[in-house]
Amino acid sequence: GQQLNQSPQSMFIQEGEDVSMNCTSSSIFNTWLWYKQEPGEGPVLLIALYKAGELTSNGRLTAQFGITRKDSFLNISASIPSDVGIYFCAGQPNNDMRFGAGTRLTVKP
Amino acid sequence: EAQVTQNPRYLITVTGKKLTVTCSQNMNHEYMSWYRQDPGLGLRQIYYSMNVEVTDKGDVPEGYKVSRKEKRNFPLILESPSPNQTSLYFCASSPWPGAIQYFGAGTRLSVL
Repeated sequence: GQQLNQSPQSMFIQEGEDVSMNCTSSSIFNTWLWYKQEPGEGPVLLIALYKAGELTSNGRLTAQFGITRKDSFLNISASIPSDVGIYFCAGQPNNDMRFGAGTRLTVKP
Repeated sequence: EAQVTQNPRYLITVTGKKLTVTCSQNMNHEYMSWYRQDPGLGLRQIYYSMNVEVTDKGDVPEGYKVSRKEKRNFPLILESPSPNQTSLYFCASSPWPGAIQYFGAGTRLSVL
C-alpha cells in the first residue's frame, strides 16, 4: 500500500516550547487529518484538511495541507503538559484511510 | 450521546477459536472501518465499508472477515485466530471516507 512517513517518531520537550511534526506520502492524498491518542483511548481528531495549500488552526494547533498533496505538517505552539500523547497523521488516497506510525510527544513541566 | 461502541474491550483466546468483535455506531454514518494498532506501526486499516452490504479490503485484510448487514453494525470476525493477530483493534465511523472519524475505545486481543 501507499507509504505514509511520519516524523519524528518521538519528541521530548520543555513546557512552553513549540513543536513541529510532519507526514509525507508516496502518492497524492485527497484529505489529511491529524489525530491525538491518549493512553487507553481511541484517536481523537484535532484538525482536518481538505484542500491543497489549506492552513487551519485549532487553538494552539496549526496544520497545513501541502501544495503537492503529498505532505502535511502539524505545529503546536507553547506546549503544555496535557499535550502529551501520540499524534497521528492520516490521509485518504481513495476510499481507504492510511495512518502514519505516530509521533510520541513528552512535555516536561 | 454520539458514540462508537465496540465489545469486548479485552479478550484472551487460543489459536483457532473463532471470535467476533462487535462494533455499533449511533450517528447514522455511512462509512465504517476496522483498524489494528501495533507498536511502531500506527493504525492499519483492515477493512472498511462504504454502506450496507458494501465492504472493501484495507491495508491488512488477511485473516479477517467483516459484514455490514445493517448501517449501525460492523462486526469483525476472526475465523481462525493466530498469535500474529494479537493487537489493539479499533472500530471507527464517519459520514464519508475523508470526514472526521469517531473511534471506539478499542479492543485488546491476545491470541495464545
